[in-house]
Amino acid sequence: QKEVEQNSGPLSVPEGAIASLNCTYSDRGSQSFFWYRQYSGKSPELIMFIYSNGDKEDGRFTAQLNKASQYVSLLIRDSQPSDSATYLCAVIGGDYKLSFGAGTTVTVRA
Amino acid sequence: DTAVSQTPKYLVTQMGNDKSIKCEQNLGHDTMYWYKQDSKKFLKIMFSYNNKELIINETVPNRFSPKSPDKAHLNLHINSLELGDSAVYFCASSTRDRNSPLHFGNGTRLTVT
Repeated sequence: QKEVEQNSGPLSVPEGAIASLNCTYSDRGSQSFFWYRQYSGKSPELIMFIYSNGDKEDGRFTAQLNKASQYVSLLIRDSQPSDSATYLCAVIGGDYKLSFGAGTTVTVRA
Repeated sequence: DTAVSQTPKYLVTQMGNDKSIKCEQNLGHDTMYWYKQDSKKFLKIMFSYNNKELIINETVPNRFSPKSPDKAHLNLHINSLELGDSAVYFCASSTRDRNSPLHFGNGTRLTVT
């Protein structure tokens, strides 16, 4: 079983819609959760981090964490064509190693 | 004033050669990493150094050898390159807080022919 799993996508949404990305993780001792965005040919850039159960909002992005269900999600509201990228879920497990999911590619249709 | 910089950006070489990738960070971070991203975009950790000391060494062939002359630099030397080594290699850094996020360099695209 992979440590961090994401919907592989691709996920296509119309401009202005909400894009919903899901991620599950296997290590119950995981403490820190991150979402990175990676444009084609570029390096991953951090867009959200969340440490506690519940929701965390930053602009058009909302991260949701449910440790009991070992689930973390990212919502992108009012999706823009510039949001088209691969979104990587990353989790720091109990061993303090950061593990990445395989990423979900999002395409926002104008 | 790039925070994490890697050189070279592109590296094309033949099987059997030896090559190095250099990484430097000016963020004052204590921990540096090498990640490999394969053609399916999967990012996998290779090594991690904390203040010049190796702390993570994943199952990576011995042909890969990291070197950290100081906490701001982490280089990667690869011996006897193979076709399967073709990938994008990312350097990253973080603070000593084990739950802190990573800051990535721009990557080195290695192509072995």
